[in-house]
Amino acid sequence: KQEVTQIPAALSVPEGENLVLNCSFTDSAIYNLQWFRQDPGKGLTSLLLIQSSQREQTSGRLNASLDKSSGRSTLYIAASQPGDSATYLCAVASRNTPLVFGKGTRLSVIA
Amino acid sequence: DTAVSQTPKYLVTQMGNDKSIKCEQNLGHDTMYWYKQDSKKFLKIMFSYNNKELIINETVPNRFSPKSPDKAHLNLHINSLELGDSAVYFCASSPNPGTPGGSYNEQFFGPGTRLTVL
Repeated sequence: KQEVTQIPAALSVPEGENLVLNCSFTDSAIYNLQWFRQDPGKGLTSLLLIQSSQREQTSGRLNASLDKSSGRSTLYIAASQPGDSATYLCAVASRNTPLVFGKGTRLSVIA
Repeated sequence: DTAVSQTPKYLVTQMGNDKSIKCEQNLGHDTMYWYKQDSKKFLKIMFSYNNKELIINETVPNRFSPKSPDKAHLNLHINSLELGDSAVYFCASSPNPGTPGGSYNEQFFGPGTRLTVL
């Protein structure tokens, strides 16, 4: 059974810092990995999708990497801004379940 | 131009009542899902429908019954509501469930429905 773990659970950084969010999963037989952002009281916004055959994806200041063999992904946020404050969720799609989510990392960027 | 929409946004009801949450997507996707996010913010899949057919049914009480009248709609009906049903319910859609050995497509989520059972 696939399990997804995100570390740290919460992170607070000053504006302008580069930061890394970590995601690990137990079953490396995945189809893809997706990073989401969730603002308080809101739905999920898809940030990046990495297919199992890819090693990374980039969108603006965001870069997500995938090491399928070791069961890890990282989300790198460059030059963080207060508007980046949100909960970031990692989710893995496997054979029998479309998406299994981690519990998220709550990010606060202090101005 | 809303992609995935849910109604209502908030739902407050008494224990024992029956309620429905509606979901619609205008993305032309084949597959729709229902997720539950509990008080600890943990998101877990409940159901998945592809072209109006149930393809995934996780361990969910049979008080929960999804209904898909067409490819663009997946409604969630809940009978005999219990306190533990209080949560945020998210609907999502994706182009297709993927093929064996292939890749699942990106999922797009609705804004959520916050259900409170008193």
